Amino acid sequence: KAGVTQTPRYLIKTRGQQVTLSCSPISGHRSVSWYQQTPGQGLQFLFEYFSETQRNKGNFPGRFSGRQFSNSRSEMNVSTLELGDSALYLCASRVTSGGTDTQYFGPGTRLTVL
Amino acid sequence: AQSVAQPEDQVNVAEGNPLTVKCTYSVSGNPYLFWYVQYPNRGLQFLLKYITGDNLVKGSYGFEAEFNKSQTSFHLKKPSALVSDSALYFCAVRFPAGTALIFGKGTTLSVSS
Repeated sequence: KAGVTQTPRYLIKTRGQQVTLSCSPISGHRSVSWYQQTPGQGLQFLFEYFSETQRNKGNFPGRFSGRQFSNSRSEMNVSTLELGDSALYLCASRVTSGGTDTQYFGPGTRLTVL
Repeated sequence: AQSVAQPEDQVNVAEGNPLTVKCTYSVSGNPYLFWYVQYPNRGLQFLLKYITGDNLVKGSYGFEAEFNKSQTSFHLKKPSALVSDSALYFCAVRFPAGTALIFGKGTTLSVSS
């Protein structure tokens, strides 16, 4: 079974621009979560989507948003980019939301904001 | 505040020796506990998890972890380290009704030949 895929793998943007990242979960997985990884803050939860509905949201400004489509694929959008948004953005999928199942991560999208 | 601590930024061990990567947590209730590993320029790979039951959990690549409820710890262990085990290791917790993983800061494991 194919793993979680994320596109693009690398992205360079300038301050003030917006960006959209994409995540395709493992087949059969209906929950998708997004995490931001930075050297200073470590791994931080952004949000989780299940059945096209946001189930939970981390402590990030409204510039960070997401959505999920009927095929469980998810996109994350960051508007008005700031230098501090430079990070590795990781997507994780699991079968359902809640319960004991494991979240499996994709390779990430490395975003650099200049 | 709910938190996960990995007290060592780096652990150095010689190949063939046993390794331990420490993790303690400070959360209420009975969370689920996870270990992930990250290789350079890669995402996180799942190693093992503790949900309930036996305090010793076996996972991928020969790793195991010992859950200690009284000490709120979940240390990762391997009897014989390999150079290829060198990577960044993350401990994480998730509440049974929750959705988000709360991660520790990570521990870099360096195995020398």
